[in-house]
Amino acid sequence: EIVLTQSPATLSLSPGERATLSCRASQSVGNYLVWYQQKPGQAPRLLIYDASNRATGIPARFSGSGSGTDFTLTIGSLEPEDFAVYYCQQRSNWVYTFGQGTKVEIK
Amino acid sequence: QVQLVESGGGLVNPGGSLRLSCEASGLIFSDFYMSWIRQTPGKGLEWLSYISSSGNTIYYADSVKGRFTISRDNAKNSVHLQMNSLRADDTAIYYCARYRSGSADSWGQGTLVTVSS
Repeated sequence: EIVLTQSPATLSLSPGERATLSCRASQSVGNYLVWYQQKPGQAPRLLIYDASNRATGIPARFSGSGSGTDFTLTIGSLEPEDFAVYYCQQRSNWVYTFGQGTKVEIK
Repeated sequence: QVQLVESGGGLVNPGGSLRLSCEASGLIFSDFYMSWIRQTPGKGLEWLSYISSSGNTIYYADSVKGRFTISRDNAKNSVHLQMNSLRADDTAIYYCARYRSGSADSWGQGTLVTVSS
């Protein structure tokens, strides 16, 4: 099983600041890495697929990068609605796994 | 607009069984792979199982392999999760999701399963 490790666990930032979230895989997943956003009481929402492609309707301030084992989700300038938990997920093999999440909270 | 509605959650004794269902609308259901994913209260997400559009290909996470069974009925636009030998650590919100190219782009609202005596 491929293990995904997200860091940091919590990121405390102010609106307008840049957020950089990391996801590291225990073995290469190529570019088969997905990012989701989850707000309290809601189901997750797809943000980024295949490491760097924004899903439909996702603002341009969200960007993904990386390949192999190291991936980054960047939020260019935090809006109030971006404070949430972010998860990565790998689809490199047929047994998918999620990271444990990074909470982006208001400083 | 894609809508996924889960049902079948509830309180069950340890060792018991439960069958979850997810009804889909707003999509050509038989075209898409479907998955079940759970989330323990206050914790993260755990992918559980995956079924191909035809139902011929199925995969499970190790944590549920041999206890949970995924199935689908394309005529009724529904996917199911039969859960047997339930344990306290199976307590979670269970989501169904549509998967496209390995990404869950539509999710249901979830159904809560509580395993407790």
